[in-house]
This record gives sequence, C-alpha cells and structure tokens, in this order.
Amino acid sequence: AQKVTQAQTEISVVEKEDVTLDCVYETRDTTYYLFWYKQPPSGELVFLIRRNSFDEQNEISGRYSWNFQKSTSSFNFTITASQVVDSAVYFCALRGPNDYKLSFGAGTTVTVRA
Amino acid sequence: NAGVTQTPKFQVLKTGQSMTLQCAQDMNHEYMSWYRQDPGMGLRLIHYSVGAGITDQGEVPNGYNVSRSTTEDFPLRLLSAAPSQTSVYFCASRTGTGTGNTIYFGEGSWLTVV
Repeated sequence: AQKVTQAQTEISVVEKEDVTLDCVYETRDTTYYLFWYKQPPSGELVFLIRRNSFDEQNEISGRYSWNFQKSTSSFNFTITASQVVDSAVYFCALRGPNDYKLSFGAGTTVTVRA
Repeated sequence: NAGVTQTPKFQVLKTGQSMTLQCAQDMNHEYMSWYRQDPGMGLRLIHYSVGAGITDQGEVPNGYNVSRSTTEDFPLRLLSAAPSQTSVYFCASRTGTGTGNTIYFGEGSWLTVV
C-alpha cells in the first residue's frame, strides 16, 4: 500500500521568506510517480510537478524547487521568496505503476503574510 | 481549453435526497475518477473508470454510484444523501497510455448534506 506523510499541518511565514514543505512516502514499488498539487483558497487543484522514481534530478521552476531523495523516500518542495499569492494548501501525492488512484498526503497549509 | 468540468459547484441537500454530480472532460482521456476531500485526510478515491463501460470501486465507494456511457462523461450519483457525505468532490482524468501520466482535476463541487 502506498502512503504519503506531510508532517507539517500549517506553516506561516512573512512575505519574501523561503518555505520548505516536507513529504515522505512509503511504497514497495520500484517504479513510482510523485506529484505536488496546489489548492488555493478558490478551491481548485492545480498540478505543479510530477517526478518519476527513476529520475532523481532535482528541479527548479521559477521560485519553486523540488528535492527528490530516493534514499530517504522524500520529495520536498521549496518556495523561494514567498509571496501572498503562494498562500494555499499543498498536497504531495504518490502513484504506483499499477495504481488507478493517487495516494495523497493530508496537505500542508501555507499562509504568507504581507 | 475546458479540461475537466464539474457541475454544480455548490449544492445543499437534505438527508435522503438523491443527486448527480456531473463531470466531463474534453481531452479524450481513458481514465476518469472521483475523489472526495475531507479536512486532514487529503483526497480519497470513490470510484474510477478505465474506459467507457468499465467502472470500479475505490477506497470509499459506499453510498455512491457511477456509470461511464461515453469517454467524455463520468457522473457520480448519491443515492440517498447522508450528512457524512458532506465534502468537496473532485473529478479527475488522465490518459491511459504511459503509466506516469499526470492526473488533472476539475474545480471541485462543494456538497453540504443537512
């Protein structure tokens, strides 16, 4: 069974601070897929990134960066120089090659104060 | 691009009433699914479909029915609404080709059962 743990329930920062969201996963699959989604106050789920288990290259996209470490089963997400518009709930999710569903973490609520 | 479209966005039901949440996608995706989101629990899979005429149960199927008569549409039916079904519902879809493909979500439907 797949399991995703986001230990941080809420994070509150002041604008321009960096924020790192932790994601730890458990799976028996050797191939799997990790995702991050953002849910802003308007409620929709916005896809941010997908990472395949066989690709451990870390990625930077603008102010977002992701650190995938297979050895520690972690897929952490950092927002650099946070902005008020980054305020949202962020979900980490995992899917195995034969899974029809995404296994979600409980989410981390990020609040960025001006 | 319409993507995944859900209706209605908000609905209040009385206990025992029935209703259908509509979901349509215009990306010719084979896989469609319904999730519910509850506080502190992330998203959980209700039902899914791997193609027209094929459906199966997810983690929390009780009290819900689905059908898939066309590739585009995947309605979710609440047969006799209960307060425990108060939740936010998300429809999702992805292509079936390539096991790592990203799942795209609709904008969500907020359902309250009183």
